[in-house]
Amino acid sequence: GQQVMQIPQYQHVQEGEDFTTYCNSSTTLSNIQWYKQRPGGHPVFLIQLVKSGEVKKQKRLTFQFGEAKKNSSLHITATQTTDVGTYFCAGTRSGAGSYQLTFGKGTKLSVIP
Amino acid sequence: ETGVTQTPRHLVMGMTNKKSLKCEQHLGHNAMYWYKQSAKKPLELMFVYSLEERVENNSVPSRFSPECPNSSHLFLHLHTLQPEDSALYLCASSPTGMDSPLHFGNGTRLTVT
Repeated sequence: GQQVMQIPQYQHVQEGEDFTTYCNSSTTLSNIQWYKQRPGGHPVFLIQLVKSGEVKKQKRLTFQFGEAKKNSSLHITATQTTDVGTYFCAGTRSGAGSYQLTFGKGTKLSVIP
Repeated sequence: ETGVTQTPRHLVMGMTNKKSLKCEQHLGHNAMYWYKQSAKKPLELMFVYSLEERVENNSVPSRFSPECPNSSHLFLHLHTLQPEDSALYLCASSPTGMDSPLHFGNGTRLTVT
């Protein structure tokens, strides 16, 4: 079955440092989605990437979708304490024709003030 | 306010009990989902309903029984659960189903004793 791997599993950064999490799929994806879950909260949708090589920005967050549509990354510039949480990528296998959105295990980000 | 409301927020039940989780979405979406979130595991898709018809059932044990009476409401009926079923159960909805972003509820934290 489809697998989505995320690294690293945990990341501790000093406030102001940059942070990157990587997502790799065993199969080509039709799209990739990113979610953020704050401690004690629920996943909240951040963004969806559809096109090969696509790059999208949301303030300090930059999202990339690989040319082969099998990997993605989320980069946060100058982290703040409000960035704390777990970041999940999720993808649907290309041509799958199903509702199966496969999630990675997530990267838990801690920001030291 | 997430637009997707889950009740109860917390539930403790014995292995012989029968209980139900409720989800209601106020977003006018066509698809609704049940996900299970356990520690150190990816989000696991349990069931998907599209326009009140079940379209995905991911080999979930029969002690979990979903019900979707209309496109705004989703239930998960629980009976004779096991301690390993303790987890956060998340309801989500999406506009069209395949490839569209998920809007999650706050979840029900279930503990089976």
